[in-house]
Amino acid sequence: QKEVEQDPGPLSVPEGAIVSLNCTYSNSAFQYFMWYRQYSRKGPELLMYTYSSGNKEDGRFTAQVDKSSKYISLFIRDSQPSDSATYLCAMMTFGNEKLTFGTGTRLTIIP
Amino acid sequence: EAGVTQSPTHLIKTRGQQATLRCSPISGHTSVYWYQQALGLGLQFLLWYDEGEERNRGNFPPRFSGRQFPNYSSELNVNALELEDSALYLCASSLGQVNTEAFFGQGTRLTVV
Repeated sequence: QKEVEQDPGPLSVPEGAIVSLNCTYSNSAFQYFMWYRQYSRKGPELLMYTYSSGNKEDGRFTAQVDKSSKYISLFIRDSQPSDSATYLCAMMTFGNEKLTFGTGTRLTIIP
Repeated sequence: EAGVTQSPTHLIKTRGQQATLRCSPISGHTSVYWYQQALGLGLQFLLWYDEGEERNRGNFPPRFSGRQFPNYSSELNVNALELEDSALYLCASSLGQVNTEAFFGQGTRLTVV
């Protein structure tokens, strides 16, 4: 079993829709949770990170962590064609600076 | 401010050869991380360097090695290349030992034929 599971998609939604991207994990020691966006032929770009359970909002993006269920989500409101990319979740334990990534979800926003 | 830069962008090698990939971190960043992104496998952690020392390595054979120079730039060496080593190799840097805000370079696409 992989430590981090992520639905690979692909996921296609119309412009303006709310997008929900999810990851589950098995290692209860994970403390930091990140979301990266990766455009084709580019390196991953950090969108946001959260520590422990709860919500964090940044513009159109909201990250949610539920440690009791070992489940994290990224919501994108008012989705734009420019949001079309692969979204990667990543996790780490403080003191072990190794990021463990999901395999990524390919998202397409249809104009 | 320049981001993380990697060279070369593309590299084609023959099975059994050695490959050397280079990474320059963001100015002021002392930690450098290397990841392999193979098709369908996601990003796999390779190596972490901080202040010139190897701090951690992932589940890769010893033919994957590297080093960090006094100016914090880094080099990844892959010896005895195998076809399965074909992947995008990504370097990231962060301020000290705080990987919650690691910034990635564009990657080096290594193709082994």
